[in-house]
Amino acid sequence: AQRVTQPEKLLSVFKGAPVELKCNYSYSGSPELFWYVQYSRQRLQLLLRHISRESIKGFTADLNKGETSFHLKKPFAQEEDSAMYYCALGGAGSYQLTFGKGTKLSVIP
Amino acid sequence: SAVISQKPSRDICQRGTSLTIQCQVDSQVTMMFWYRQQPGQSLTLIATANQGSEATYESGFVIDKFPISRPNLTFSTLTVSNMSPEDSSIYLCSVAGYDQPQHFGDGTRLSIL
Repeated sequence: AQRVTQPEKLLSVFKGAPVELKCNYSYSGSPELFWYVQYSRQRLQLLLRHISRESIKGFTADLNKGETSFHLKKPFAQEEDSAMYYCALGGAGSYQLTFGKGTKLSVIP
Repeated sequence: SAVISQKPSRDICQRGTSLTIQCQVDSQVTMMFWYRQQPGQSLTLIATANQGSEATYESGFVIDKFPISRPNLTFSTLTVSNMSPEDSSIYLCSVAGYDQPQHFGDGTRLSIL
């Protein structure tokens, strides 16, 4: 069965501090991992997908198949990063996703 | 990415009534999904809307309670039937296809009195 674990419900960091939002997954096949973000009063939007290997808004995430992790990182947090972040897992060739419970990131000015 | 329009954006309904939520996309998409997001919770997939055939429901969701239609590749509806206060939630439509991952509408915030 597919499962996504985001161990932190809430993460508070000071502005300028590094951020790491943890995501671990369980999947028997070839996984596709995503990070979605939901800013206050906005729709859920795609932030990153692992196959793109790109940096969006300073965030990066590397798929580690050995540790079954896809942690989201940013070296210097900004106040505008405060939002709800969801890690999502899909399978190769499938558009269906399993979402983690989400981590609320709060950046303290 | 596709532009998704979801209506209504919010509604307050009486228990025992039904509400139909519409999801319109500005281009043809392969997949359309319906989710529920209860207050303070993550997203739970209700069903996959299949064009021209019955939707595929996830465990815990049934067609009688959440009938879904998808008459073409750009439109789908979700009906929440015989509503109770436990159905108060945000209902989300998402679309995917042609190597594009899921993108979400703004959601429908539903409150049942």
